[in-house]
Amino acid sequence: KQEVTQIPAALSVPEGENLVLNCSFTDSAIYNLQWFRQDPGKGLTSLLLIQSSQREQTSGRLNASLDKSSGRSTLYIAASQPGDSATYLCAVSNSGYSTLTFGKGTMLLVSP
Amino acid sequence: DVKVTQSSRYLVKRTGEKVFLECVQDMDHENMFWYRQDPGLGLRLIYFSYDVKMKEKGDIPEGYSVSREKKERFSLILESASTNQTSMYLCASRQWGGNNEQFFGPGTRLTVL
Repeated sequence: KQEVTQIPAALSVPEGENLVLNCSFTDSAIYNLQWFRQDPGKGLTSLLLIQSSQREQTSGRLNASLDKSSGRSTLYIAASQPGDSATYLCAVSNSGYSTLTFGKGTMLLVSP
Repeated sequence: DVKVTQSSRYLVKRTGEKVFLECVQDMDHENMFWYRQDPGLGLRLIYFSYDVKMKEKGDIPEGYSVSREKKERFSLILESASTNQTSMYLCASRQWGGNNEQFFGPGTRLTVL
């Protein structure tokens, strides 16, 4: 059974820092991996989706990488801002028809 | 723009009441999902539906049922609400056999007293 772990569970940084959030999964035979952002009390917003054949995806200040063989993905946030404060979740899919397996998230606080 | 809506942002019900949570998507997606999210437990899948009139149990279906009579609408039903069903409920949808990207609604915070 696929298991997804996110470390750290919480992270606090000063504004302007570059930071990395980690996601690891136990079964490397994934179809794709998705990173989400969740603001307190709100739903999930999709940030980036990486297909199993891809190594990375970029959107603005966000860059997500995928290393299937080691069962890891990282979300890199450049020049962090207070508006980046949120919980970030990763989720993996083992096929185009399967459900997602979620990590428990990393709660990020960026201080001015 | 992709849109998943949920009928209520906040809901307060009494123990034993029958509760309906509604989810509507406007993307013509075949697949729809209901999750609950609790501190320390993360997101857990309750039920999902591959298409109209179809339903599959997720990881925690006990105490819940679902209905999918139209493609755009997926309802979660708590037959007899209990206090341990107090939670954040999230609905999602995705295109069948696509890139598997899921789109989420804003969530319903349900409190059962």
